[in-house]
Amino acid sequence: GAVVSQHPSRVICKSGTSVKIECRSLDFQATTMFWYRQFPKQSLMLMATSNEGSKATYEQGVEKDKFLINHASLTLSTLTVTSAHPEDSSFYICSAQVLLGGRGETQYFGPGTRLLVL
Amino acid sequence: SQQGEEDPQALSIQEGENATMNCSYKTSINNLQWYRQNSGRGLVHLILIRSNEREKHSGRLRVTLDTSKKSSSLLITASRAADTASYFCATATQGGSEKLVFGKGMKLTVNP
Repeated sequence: GAVVSQHPSRVICKSGTSVKIECRSLDFQATTMFWYRQFPKQSLMLMATSNEGSKATYEQGVEKDKFLINHASLTLSTLTVTSAHPEDSSFYICSAQVLLGGRGETQYFGPGTRLLVL
Repeated sequence: SQQGEEDPQALSIQEGENATMNCSYKTSINNLQWYRQNSGRGLVHLILIRSNEREKHSGRLRVTLDTSKKSSSLLITASRAADTASYFCATATQGGSEKLVFGKGMKLTVNP
């Protein structure tokens, strides 16, 4: 099956630093990757949609200057949390979508990255 | 209610029993998907049902979709302790969007 990895799996950083999270599709090419944030005991909230070679589309209320997304290739997307603050502490999950017959349906999710900002 | 809202929010059953989770949504959809998430882990895709389908099976899973009521149900038969997880429904809306809108999730506990 399609495998998506994330690195790092968990990170602790000081307030004000920037943190980069990588999302890779290991055995398939994904034209679209999605970034979600999940607070404890809550559902996934979509942050942005990332298409290879183009600018990411951010959801309403998500600061594009704070959450920088780069989708440099069909197998790699990165999310950088700039000047992280304690309220950015969360579980960040990426997913990659496979196009079948020109239609994207199933999203394959990475294992998530736990971010703790002190 | 919120798009993709599961009911009940938490369910505790004994091993061997069946577990039924319901999901309601508001807008017209292309498809509805069910995912499971073990604590602190990523999501695992369970099953996708398209808007023109009414029922789908996969192993011990049975999903129904009623577009007139804008609702779906996930049935897990003969539950096992390993089925303990959170389950989410997610809808892909009509109009070409590939985005998924997730429900709040439901915590299933299967006691051995």
